[in-house]
Amino acid sequence: DAGITQSPRHKVTETGTPVTLRCHQTENHRYMYWYRQDPGHGLRLIHYSYGVKDTDKGEVSDGYSVSRSKTEDFLLTLESATSSQTSVYFCAISEQDPGKVHARRNYGYTFGSGTRLTVV
Amino acid sequence: AQSVTQLDSQVPVFEEAPVELRCNYSSSVSVYLFWYVQYPNQGLQLLLKYLSGSTLVKGINGFEAEFNKSQTSFHLRKPSVHISDTAEYFCAVSDQMNYGGSQGNLIFGKGTKLSVKP
Repeated sequence: DAGITQSPRHKVTETGTPVTLRCHQTENHRYMYWYRQDPGHGLRLIHYSYGVKDTDKGEVSDGYSVSRSKTEDFLLTLESATSSQTSVYFCAISEQDPGKVHARRNYGYTFGSGTRLTVV
Repeated sequence: AQSVTQLDSQVPVFEEAPVELRCNYSSSVSVYLFWYVQYPNQGLQLLLKYLSGSTLVKGINGFEAEFNKSQTSFHLRKPSVHISDTAEYFCAVSDQMNYGGSQGNLIFGKGTKLSVKP
């Protein structure tokens, strides 16, 4: 997807090991998101960021942490991976609405291609 | 709290037939509405969106959707589908009142898998 890349694309890891997924954007968008996609659940928000070092929890944040030290990078870390975290992870970005300090432009999100994580 | 319900988890249809994928939402405030498409092993791609104005919204690949405020629905339609339309489709909603925080975050439905058969 243009302007947003995720790495790695696939990863297999063992239960109990730490894992970090990376999302990189070249669009200079203020907002970044991490979702997980599971059959029958659609997309569920894990964490999101509204600026450098500004992050907040989503609906399924337990077991995950995030960091954003630069505008272009948003990292998702599984401190100690569990089998329930086997999933496809998507990063997304959205623009800030220039007319409002903290609001985002509601043109929808742009998504990365996803990371398929398997915890064995 | 907002929620999105996609009434059909799977929709099988023959090629060149019409199709409607149903989406209902609940919200106490005015909303923006979106449809995304996900082809196998790919990310999500924006199909169309309703922000304001005409309630009939046209998107890519011949799809259209109609916003019905009284029925809180945003159904997706295509008059004649192709094999290449086989994919999963997601409806999403966000608040119009968007001043940061969780407001403005997209809430997704669970998806509808469209299977087009020859």
